[in-house]
Amino acid sequence: DTEVTQTPKHLVMGMTNKKSLKCEQHMGHRAMYWYKQKAKKPPELMFVYSYEKLSINESVPSRFSPECPNSSLLNLHLHALQPEDSALYLCASSQEGAGLSGYTFGSGTRLTVV
Amino acid sequence: GESVGLHLPTLSVQEGDNSIINCAYSNSASDYFIWYKQESGKGPQFIIDIRSNMDKRQGQRVTVLLNKTVKHLSLQIAATQPGDSAVYFCAENPNNFNKFYFGSGTKLNVKP
Repeated sequence: DTEVTQTPKHLVMGMTNKKSLKCEQHMGHRAMYWYKQKAKKPPELMFVYSYEKLSINESVPSRFSPECPNSSLLNLHLHALQPEDSALYLCASSQEGAGLSGYTFGSGTRLTVV
Repeated sequence: GESVGLHLPTLSVQEGDNSIINCAYSNSASDYFIWYKQESGKGPQFIIDIRSNMDKRQGQRVTVLLNKTVKHLSLQIAATQPGDSAVYFCAENPNNFNKFYFGSGTKLNVKP
């Protein structure tokens, strides 16, 4: 299995909702990432997990809460989002670390906040 | 943050021609570079990488060139095909184990 699987593919949520994005990989990668990508822009790093521990938080607002329950799963919990948070949220994984061989990305979750 | 930029935001080429996509990076400490291809509705896909101890690397129909003197990276695609139509990003790893910075992207349109 050489894929990163993200669910759901599309999500529409209200500003008062709580939702979660899920990411799964079975490549034995020990680093996992959340990226945010706005239309026609490059991906922007949000969080990095290394060996299930949060190692990088790129000053992301607390309405985004990551969680890494085990080495194969990565979640992003969403609460009280704003319309400007609408974007494509990409999960990626890599060998520890990415400087060895880069990332494998999932196809993303297209999030719309209304 | 770091700055990785591209000269051409959109590139249109005829099918069968060669394509060259350019990227300028700002951090001279970067030692690992990757080109990613992103098709509509998909996540970025690894195309080819190069380390700073090399100046050229070839893959299947793709070649990456690295000029460290002027901090410039390019991706050459031979015999461009319609399936090559996508946005291409360069990414640099400035000696930070898990962190890549992405350039602004170039959209490649292949005309049949």
